[in-house]
Amino acid sequence: DAKTTQPNSMESNEEEPVHLPCNHSTISGTDYIHWYRQLPSQGPEYVIHGLTSNVNNRMASLAIAEDRKSSTLILHRATLRDAAVYYCILRPRGNRDDKIIFGKGTRLHILP
Amino acid sequence: NAGVTQTPKFRVLKTGQSMTLLCAQDMNHEYMYWYRQDPGMGLRLIHYSVGEGTTAKGEVPDGYNVSRLKKQNFLLGLESAAPSQTSVYFCASSYRISTDTQYFGPGTRLTVL
Repeated sequence: DAKTTQPNSMESNEEEPVHLPCNHSTISGTDYIHWYRQLPSQGPEYVIHGLTSNVNNRMASLAIAEDRKSSTLILHRATLRDAAVYYCILRPRGNRDDKIIFGKGTRLHILP
Repeated sequence: NAGVTQTPKFRVLKTGQSMTLLCAQDMNHEYMYWYRQDPGMGLRLIHYSVGEGTTAKGEVPDGYNVSRLKKQNFLLGLESAAPSQTSVYFCASSYRISTDTQYFGPGTRLTVL
């Protein structure tokens, strides 16, 4: 399974944009890039996903490099409630044996 | 919709005891999963199911059994609990295709003494 590499932790100030990087140099052409986050004492929740093009939703934006070997999750205006562990995950398209591999993710600290 | 619910929320077992964790979803999802999360670690897949009556092994299946007798329920069993199984257990479900969003339950915190 293709792996992802993320920084262990990051800090950002409240109300400022946050860019969370993820490297996935062994990504295959059919792998989707998914982001989940886990708030303290809760289960993970879906944030966003994409294949090749940049994606936007109400929670965040996903910027995917042209060669797809890296991606960046963008929180446009971080709040204290965005403090969480963010996981970047690759999921193969059309694979019946769906096994999400979670790494350790990036722990995001938001400073008031 | 309640989404994904897990029972119980907390449990303390002695070594060698058995127990069953219940996961229920009301979203008519085909896929269901059990993960464990140890302190400071990401989630690891224990077992999963792609439909009623079917189960498959994940990354760390040893010491656990599962059953999916009804589409909405996925049970995780520990026949003889060990301290190494102390963890937080999360259940998740997704609609059908493998790229679909997974919805997670709130977790069960299990301590084995």
